Amino acid sequence: SQQGEEDPQALSIQEGENATMNCSYKTSINNLQWYRQNSGRGLVHLILIRSNEREKHSGRLRVTLDTSKKSSSLLITASRAADTASYFCATRPQGGSEKLVFGKGTKLTVNP
Amino acid sequence: NAGVTQTPKFQVLKTGQSMTLQCAQDMNHEYMSWYRQDPGMGLRLIHYSVGAGITDQGEVPNGYNVSRSTTEDFPLRLLSAAPSQTSVYFCASRPFDRVLNEQYFGPGTRLTVT
Repeated sequence: SQQGEEDPQALSIQEGENATMNCSYKTSINNLQWYRQNSGRGLVHLILIRSNEREKHSGRLRVTLDTSKKSSSLLITASRAADTASYFCATRPQGGSEKLVFGKGTKLTVNP
Repeated sequence: NAGVTQTPKFQVLKTGQSMTLQCAQDMNHEYMSWYRQDPGMGLRLIHYSVGAGITDQGEVPNGYNVSRSTTEDFPLRLLSAAPSQTSVYFCASRPFDRVLNEQYFGPGTRLTVT
């Protein structure tokens, strides 16, 4: 079964606005990752946050993790048309599992 | 480095036919995996391997076989294609790291079974 669930399923904003996507998961994790997928392409890793971290930044990306609520959020600031893509969270469950479990994704459209 | 490569990019099969989707990586990654992506379903893990000679099932393994004879290659075999296997297939690899497991994805194979 899917571990992560992204919210919203789709998001449409204007260029320059901020975009926030949320991810909820069910079991304890080692880390949580966010990936981006442009239409018709493979996934590209954006950022990883470990279970003992609460916030992480990378350029215009900010990720937060709340392990007590089993949730994470991805914030893209000052969005650009090129940010249009689907965004997926992926979790690595605790317990030594080598699997990475993906959510269903948020489709972000940034209008110029 | 070419990264993760997949062939073919597109394939159409008739029900009952068999075929092999190829995946190769040149980063010396121990861990390789196959996912399928269907509309509204996200990515689901089919099979994975933690090294040459070692494979294991993921979430949706039925109808698929894998083997890992070398570190570089991880082919996915469809034994008898069914319309339910129409999907986009992604291969991924990563180093065998206990903490960090950023995955590198191939460009995908779009498979249609008629």
